[in-house]
Amino acid sequence: EAQVTQNPRYLITVTGKKLTVTCSQNMNHEYMSWYRQDPGLGLRQIYYSMNVEVTDKGDVPEGYKVSRKEKRNFPLILESPSPNQTSLYFCASRLVPGTGRGELFFGEGSRLTVL
Amino acid sequence: GDSVTQMEGPVTLSEEAFLTINCTYTATGYPSLFWYVQYPGEGLQLLLKATKADDKGSNKGFEATYRKETTSFHLEKGSVQVSDSAVYFCALSDRIGNQFYFGTGTSLTVIP
Repeated sequence: EAQVTQNPRYLITVTGKKLTVTCSQNMNHEYMSWYRQDPGLGLRQIYYSMNVEVTDKGDVPEGYKVSRKEKRNFPLILESPSPNQTSLYFCASRLVPGTGRGELFFGEGSRLTVL
Repeated sequence: GDSVTQMEGPVTLSEEAFLTINCTYTATGYPSLFWYVQYPGEGLQLLLKATKADDKGSNKGFEATYRKETTSFHLEKGSVQVSDSAVYFCALSDRIGNQFYFGTGTSLTVIP
């Protein structure tokens, strides 16, 4: 089954404790991205990647890191989480970069709480 | 920069009522436009899309037409069902496709 898989789905952590949210897709998509969803703000893009070893900042990259060492994986790293990073996070992928026509495929989301 | 503005919610309708959720956009060039739906506890799913002016996207009884002259992409359905209760997001993708921009979402509840 074609899918985007995120882990963990739920996580409660404390300020400053490094964490990684994994994302994997099995559709051979070149483009992957991370979003955070907050009430009243919709989805905002954190980082995106056009291909392996190619990443770029979205609208809200502060406090996050990403890497794209393999085509299928795009982990989101919070080096020193803070309470304002409490949010619902979505990973997404699309087949073709360089054109706006293809839709995004989303994972089921990871709900992160930072105490 | 590019942006999407959509109708604030929440919206509550009776079953079989007509639905309109307004969406307008600001973009340079010719973006692609999308409606996504999010059911409780799930990720976003594509509902429909349109990639050029005057295109009409449709799926599951929902429709939206890409209106360049009014920079709009309003979502409509003639007769909603309880199962349509969800949050609906309007979105655009820039010409290059590097970034997606989402509206704030509109929560729809359909009551029997």
